[in-house]
Amino acid sequence: SQQGEEDPQALSIQEGENATMNCSYKTSINNLQWYRQNSGRGLVHLILIRSNEREKHSGRLRVTLDTSKKSSSLLITASRAADTASYFCATDESGGGADGLTFGKGTHLIIQP
Amino acid sequence: DAGITQSPRHKVTETGTPVTLRCHQTENHRYMYWYRQDPGHGLRLIHYSYGVKDTDKGEVSDGYSVSRSKTEDFLLTLESATSSQTSVYFCAISESTRGGARGYTFGSGTRLTVV
Repeated sequence: SQQGEEDPQALSIQEGENATMNCSYKTSINNLQWYRQNSGRGLVHLILIRSNEREKHSGRLRVTLDTSKKSSSLLITASRAADTASYFCATDESGGGADGLTFGKGTHLIIQP
Repeated sequence: DAGITQSPRHKVTETGTPVTLRCHQTENHRYMYWYRQDPGHGLRLIHYSYGVKDTDKGEVSDGYSVSRSKTEDFLLTLESATSSQTSVYFCAISESTRGGARGYTFGSGTRLTVV
């Protein structure tokens, strides 16, 4: 069963705008990770946020984590055409859950030039 | 993707035939994973390995087996392929369990079609 659920399923914005994607999960976690997948390629790790962190930045990426709501958001600022991809959250469940990361179904982001 | 290769990249096979997919890494990472990606389901874990000859089942392991005789190679076998196993298969590697600080590194995937 899926742990993370991204929202929205698809998002189309103009180049230069900010893109926000959300992820909700069900169980307690050690950390939450975001990945990007370009069409026809494997996933690429973007950023990890630990359960005791609330916000993390990496370049144009900003990730927040609210463990009380079991949710995370990924903000991409000043979007570029090259940001067009699918974005997945993945959770590392605490308490001896699944032995691999559990991925959501993804948000497909389209940046219009 | 650097340090991890999957073969073949594409394969079409007939129902009932055995199929083996290969994942090869040059990173000397201890952990290796096989996922399948399907529309509407995201990525689901099939099997994983935490060392040579040490493997375990994931969420959707029925109909699949794996072997890891060397650190660098992780093989996924479909004993008797079915149409429901048509999918894109991804291998991933990591230094520590569940990715650690650097997460997983994924291969480019194998697109398998069972006809």
